Amino acid sequence: AQKITQTQPGMFVQEKEAVTLDCTYDTSDQSYGLFWYKQPSSGEMIFLIYQGSYDEQNATEGRYSLNFQKARKSANLVISASQLGDSAMYFCAMREGHISNFGNEKLTFGTGTRLTIIP
Amino acid sequence: DTGVSQDPRHKITKRGQNVTFRCDPISEHNRLYWYRQTLGQGPEFLTYFQNEAQLEKSRLLSDRFSAERPKGSFSTLEIQRTEQGDSAMYLCASSLGLAGLKDTQYFGPGTRLTVL
Repeated sequence: AQKITQTQPGMFVQEKEAVTLDCTYDTSDQSYGLFWYKQPSSGEMIFLIYQGSYDEQNATEGRYSLNFQKARKSANLVISASQLGDSAMYFCAMREGHISNFGNEKLTFGTGTRLTIIP
Repeated sequence: DTGVSQDPRHKITKRGQNVTFRCDPISEHNRLYWYRQTLGQGPEFLTYFQNEAQLEKSRLLSDRFSAERPKGSFSTLEIQRTEQGDSAMYLCASSLGLAGLKDTQYFGPGTRLTVL
């Protein structure tokens, strides 16, 4: 089974509108972290936002917020007031496991959503 | 620029040749990671280092792949006897090595390998 599922291969959104990018995850661990990255056409993965499984509040970073629904195992990224520069691939990723310096350090990524902002 | 850097950015090689990529992490970061990304997919974990120690390797890292981080600073990823299936973007990331799950990985621009 896929650990990270992003069901929207592509989305088109009008500039200045809000957009929600879906992410569902699968884990049996109680401790895990969820990350969103942006990948422009240049290729570099840019960290956007983090949500820990024990965080009580939904994470926010500027125009980015995370709609975290633990019971549904979903961690959707919300971008408010979209801009042309938001056009990129967006990846959801998860780190599972026990909190330790030598635990499960790898990130598992979804297949991404290509977001295109229309002027 | 104090971000993660990778060299070269692009590499075209013939099948059977050896290639080596270099990654320079953010200077104060203890951990360094290698990922591979093929077209239309998200990055897949290959291996990671805590300082100079290689602590985890993916099953994706066949015997033809070797990674080193000799002095706990920069790292190299070598692929021997390249195959066409090795064509991909190779991404390097680094992190501070904080305890806990929030230890954020910061990525470099990647090296795009094309095997002819």
